[in-house]
Amino acid sequence: GQNIDQPTEMTATEGAIVQINCTYQTSGFNGLFWYQQHAGEAPTFLSYNVLDGLEEKGRFSSFLSRSKGYSYLLLKELQMKDSASYLCAVTDGDYKLSFGAGTTVTVRA
Amino acid sequence: TAGITQAPTSQILAAGRSMTLRCTQDMRHNAMYWYRQDLGLGLRLIHYSNTAGTTGKGEVPDGYSVSRANTDDFPLTLASAVPSQTSVYFCASSDSQGSGNQPQHFGDGTRLSIL
Repeated sequence: GQNIDQPTEMTATEGAIVQINCTYQTSGFNGLFWYQQHAGEAPTFLSYNVLDGLEEKGRFSSFLSRSKGYSYLLLKELQMKDSASYLCAVTDGDYKLSFGAGTTVTVRA
Repeated sequence: TAGITQAPTSQILAAGRSMTLRCTQDMRHNAMYWYRQDLGLGLRLIHYSNTAGTTGKGEVPDGYSVSRANTDDFPLTLASAVPSQTSVYFCASSDSQGSGNQPQHFGDGTRLSIL
């Protein structure tokens, strides 16, 4: 089975940086996904990590350490539109995902 | 626009009634999934299908059934609804040709209330 933990809520100021941590314990591992979900909408894909290290994509970066069972999503230059839930999900390679409960990020002016 | 279409958008259903949630994708993805999302619990997998003609059970399959007669459609049926099935239901699909690193694409969800 999979056990995926992430903080429930985080608050940050517009223009700042926020780091959302995700820890996982899995029976198998073939990659970690981050999704963004605005209230009342569908989740949308942000990033995928399968090797250790940092993947940068514009204002968003995602880091993975497989030996520590740890990932983080870094959001830089926060904008009001970044207020959303961020979902960490792990795949064991058979195309199924196990999701964490999500982290709600609130960006304040 | 290519993507996943779910219907209905929302529904109120009496307990004991049956209901089929529809899901259609036009991306020719082999794999499709049904999740329910409840406050504080995140997305939980109900059933999945790796390819047309095959289905599998996810984390919370009880009370639900699925079929996959073709690539595009993956309906979810509640045979006899109970109030604990009140939730937001998301259908998703992914291109399973590869090592499992293909992102899942989600529909807009169906908000279902069982009274």
